[in-house]
Amino acid sequence: DGGITQSPKYLFRKEGQNVTLSCEQNLNHDAMYWYRQDPGQGLRLIYYSQIVNDFQKGDIAEGYSVSREKKESFPLTVTSAQKNPTAFYLCASSFVTGQRTGEQFFGPGTRLTVL
Amino acid sequence: SQQGEEDPQALSIQEGENATMNCSYKTSINNLQWYRQNSGRGLVHLILIRSNEREKHSGRLRVTLDTSKKSSSLLITASRAADTASYFCAIGGEYGNKLVFGAGTILRVKS
Repeated sequence: DGGITQSPKYLFRKEGQNVTLSCEQNLNHDAMYWYRQDPGQGLRLIYYSQIVNDFQKGDIAEGYSVSREKKESFPLTVTSAQKNPTAFYLCASSFVTGQRTGEQFFGPGTRLTVL
Repeated sequence: SQQGEEDPQALSIQEGENATMNCSYKTSINNLQWYRQNSGRGLVHLILIRSNEREKHSGRLRVTLDTSKKSSSLLITASRAADTASYFCAIGGEYGNKLVFGAGTILRVKS
């Protein structure tokens, strides 16, 4: 059963703590992405990776970090430097066709709340 | 910015009616994609239209692209209550392997 999974579904964090959101895919996709979605808004790109051991900053990378040690996995760490981390976080993956972005497949999301 | 701007922000229609959503953008593109998001869920890809295409169909969905006006529209025909969701356009730029999403249109289909 191919797909992209995210865990946990809900996450609560105290101020000053780092938390790591998991994203795993078994679609054999090369590229993976992390987005942040705030209420009533579209998605904003945090980080993306097109190949193992390489990743690029998106539009709102400050306060976040990622790693890409395996093709299947792209965890996102929300650090204490992120001033307003409460949001819905979405992970996606896609094939890489040249330098053009095709269809992206999304996970179910993680809702992070800072207490 | 390449970000798509969507219009209207919200749309409420009766079941069986058609729903039209529009997306405008500012720079040249390689492709434009439409996604659907049910409340609290991940996004689902609906359709991709390339810059050299003018119209594409998928079931009850029809997408048009006018690159001279830098705009696209998504038409959902014979809408159903299950079509209630947020719909986003996403711009695939000429360079780089990433998408830029619009703020979305909230569609409510009343039964």
